[in-house]
Amino acid sequence: AQSVTQLGSHVSVSEGALVLLRCNYSSSVPPYLFWYVQYPNQGLQLLLKYTSAATLVKGINGFEAEFKKSETSFHLTKPSAHMSDAAEYFCAVSHNAGNMLTFGGGTRLMVKP
Amino acid sequence: EAQVTQNPRYLITVTGKKLTVTCSQNMNHEYMSWYRQDPGLGLRQIYYSMNVEVTDKGDVPEGYKVSRKEKRNFPLILESPSPNQTSLYFCATRTGAYNEQFFGPGTRLTVL
Repeated sequence: AQSVTQLGSHVSVSEGALVLLRCNYSSSVPPYLFWYVQYPNQGLQLLLKYTSAATLVKGINGFEAEFKKSETSFHLTKPSAHMSDAAEYFCAVSHNAGNMLTFGGGTRLMVKP
Repeated sequence: EAQVTQNPRYLITVTGKKLTVTCSQNMNHEYMSWYRQDPGLGLRQIYYSMNVEVTDKGDVPEGYKVSRKEKRNFPLILESPSPNQTSLYFCATRTGAYNEQFFGPGTRLTVL
């Protein structure tokens, strides 16, 4: 079985500040990990993915995430928030032998001017 | 352009009135799936299909049916909708070897 926990359903940062969105997973086999972003009234768009190559993964729009096996974490970061980053972010896990993608509950990021 | 299309995008209906939400993809992907999105719960998988005539239950299949008669289409059927099926529904295809998925624009369903 696999599961994902996103700590903090709402995160608020000031424009220019560091963005840190937390994701912890559980998986009985080596996982594949994803971050998706959902802008208002839109579908989900892939930000980045970890597939057992480099542990530090760079994605679109300046985001990156680091896979830490010992902490079972895959936190999403961005050095400097922009107003356009305001959206809902979802962490998800799957694995090599499975056919399902399991999502966390989502974190809504608000960016203050 | 790679696309997953869903119709309708918005639907308001009443309890018990059968409805179908269509999903179509132009990428020739074998795998397709349906999710529902609810506040605080993220996305939960309803059904998925590995190929034509092959479907399987996800985490929350109760009250839903699917069919996969053609590779490009994967309709979601609610035989007798209830208010607890009010939700935002997404269709998706699998784009690669890691269960990475490409999502449609969503269908917002309200059951009164």
